[in-house]
Amino acid sequence: QQQVKQSPQSLIVQKGGISIINCAYENTAFDYFPWYQQFPGKGPALLIAIRPDVSEKKEGRFTISFNKSAKQFSLHIMDSQPGDSATYFCAASMTGANNLFFGTGTRLTVIP
Amino acid sequence: KAGVTQTPRYLIKTRGQQVTLSCSPISGHRSVSWYQQTPGQGLQFLFEYFSETQRNKGNFPGRFSGRQFSNSRSEMNVSTLELGDSALYLCASSLFGAGIETQYFGPGTRLLVL
Repeated sequence: QQQVKQSPQSLIVQKGGISIINCAYENTAFDYFPWYQQFPGKGPALLIAIRPDVSEKKEGRFTISFNKSAKQFSLHIMDSQPGDSATYFCAASMTGANNLFFGTGTRLTVIP
Repeated sequence: KAGVTQTPRYLIKTRGQQVTLSCSPISGHRSVSWYQQTPGQGLQFLFEYFSETQRNKGNFPGRFSGRQFSNSRSEMNVSTLELGDSALYLCASSLFGAGIETQYFGPGTRLLVL
């Protein structure tokens, strides 16, 4: 049972465009929603994270939008660059339980 | 500050053997979690250790075990290896393992079972 559902599986975006990746969850006990970026041969690295008490968080070109009532959250990458080409994972966890439930990942390719 | 280190980076084993993987967390971090990453199942939580105690465990068979030492370094062991155990095994560390703090991942150990 996939606790966090992620789409799309793959995404191709032109340089300078906006990349959007969506995730949905069921467990209302989740209260921490990080996004990880993974390059081939590397471990995942935290990109940005959000708590459910805010609807949006922005860090540079990366923005998380969070919809608590719909139990959905998304990652927006503005002005996408070829260096952003990687696999992106959304995840969720809850206070006191240090296990992350990951989405299935989105392979992003940014074309120059 | 040095990141999470994992050794070895690559391993080839045959079915039925056992394997031990090692993880050194970021200095000062007391929580270490282990994850398995495969193309089919994605990233799945194995277990978490804090102050030498297993606090949380994922849905994996008992062949998968781990431990943590007093210096927070951790090892995981897989006994009686199966072909399906071929995966990238990732270790992540965090300060207290509170669930809402950043987990920092190592580069992983890629295990191939033949």
